[in-house]
Amino acid sequence: SAVISQKPSRDICQRGTSLTIQCQVDSQVTMMFWYRQQPGQSLTLIATANQGSEATYESGFVIDKFPISRPNLTFSTLTVSNMSPEDSSIYLCSVAPQRTKGYTFGSGTRLTVV
Amino acid sequence: SQELEQSPQSLIVQEGKNLTINCTSSKTLYGLYWYKQKYGEGLIFLMMLQKGGEEKSHEKITAKLDEKKQQSSLHITASQPSHAGIYLCGADGRNYKLTFGKGTLLTVNP
Repeated sequence: SAVISQKPSRDICQRGTSLTIQCQVDSQVTMMFWYRQQPGQSLTLIATANQGSEATYESGFVIDKFPISRPNLTFSTLTVSNMSPEDSSIYLCSVAPQRTKGYTFGSGTRLTVV
Repeated sequence: SQELEQSPQSLIVQEGKNLTINCTSSKTLYGLYWYKQKYGEGLIFLMMLQKGGEEKSHEKITAKLDEKKQQSSLHITASQPSHAGIYLCGADGRNYKLTFGKGTLLTVNP
């Protein structure tokens, strides 16, 4: 299965600033997914990122707040913009090169906004 | 949209005991996934089920999908402290979008 390197693993940021999270996959994948896990909650899909096209955002998430880049088939970034304390969450990327073998997740970025 | 209901929300068992976690879907499942998450970490894939009546096992963990493909159970035999964590069921469709249940927090006391 694919291996994902996600950075940073954690960060503490000031409100109003932005943070960019990176995910590097060890193989080429068509789709990459970004999730948010708020404290004590389950995972919620933010957007799907395909190489060469704009990301598709789920209801409640907008590009201005969570811009995503997908420059090639092994890399993607998610930026959390103009952060507020409500953005404090764990953010995870995911890929599914072979769906029946499970979606692989990055180790997550624990973001705290103060 | 698909909703997944997990029960129980939390579970405390004595080491060596068996336990079962359930996951019920509001719609027929296309693919059902079980994951384990340690506190503050990423998700570890356990098993994937997609056929009605399917059952899979890995070490002491067995997952089943009912014939109607709307309910799945995860059974752990002779639990160990290493089984502790949050267990999440997830479901996807042809669009590859995973929806998760709220999770079950498992504590195994030695």
